[in-house]
Amino acid sequence: AQSVSQHNHHVILSEAASLELGCNYSYGGTVNLFWYVQYPGQHLQLLLKYFSGDPLVKGIKGFEAEFIKSKFSFNLRKPSVQWSDTAEYFCAVISSNTGKLIFGQGTTLQVKP
Amino acid sequence: GAGVSQSPRYKVAKRGQDVALRCDPISGHVSLFWYQQALGQGPEFLTYFQNEAQLDKSGLPSDRFFAERPEGSVSTLKIQRTQQEDSAVYLCASSLGEARTGNTIYFGEGSWLTVV
Repeated sequence: AQSVSQHNHHVILSEAASLELGCNYSYGGTVNLFWYVQYPGQHLQLLLKYFSGDPLVKGIKGFEAEFIKSKFSFNLRKPSVQWSDTAEYFCAVISSNTGKLIFGQGTTLQVKP
Repeated sequence: GAGVSQSPRYKVAKRGQDVALRCDPISGHVSLFWYQQALGQGPEFLTYFQNEAQLDKSGLPSDRFFAERPEGSVSTLKIQRTQQEDSAVYLCASSLGEARTGNTIYFGEGSWLTVV
């Protein structure tokens, strides 16, 4: 069955530190990959998505993610975090077969000012 | 409306009571999804509609859960004889076309259900 694993459950960083959040999925076929963010008290918002083409995807607010097919990974990165990046981050995958968006458990990012 | 709208935003139900949660997707969006999000967890897929057709209901946890979208727009998630383990945020999402073909899925703010 399709699944998504996020390695870090809670990450604490100081402002200006670099960020990398891990995401691995299990599915052998064609997948589309997403990162969503949920700021406190707000709804889920799309950060970035990968469907095809360049495996390095750039999203909003300076975030990027790299799809490494051989590693079944789609890690999220940001060179320098800000206090306003404090939020819950979710990796998600859709398989071309099922069309269902499946989420990981999420990573809580806390950025200290 | 501008986004996916859900109501009620907050619902407290007594155990055994039936509840109905409403979702208004973005106008013109064909696909509609329901998710359940427990505290500290990622959203769990419940069911998926394309227009009025319920294409996948594999995530509905029991036969107490029922979803419908009779005219292909507004959807209702109904939970019968609520139990404490049903306490969660119920998220609705919609997309213009099929999500697997590149359409972005937009989420509502959720309906927070507490069963006491």
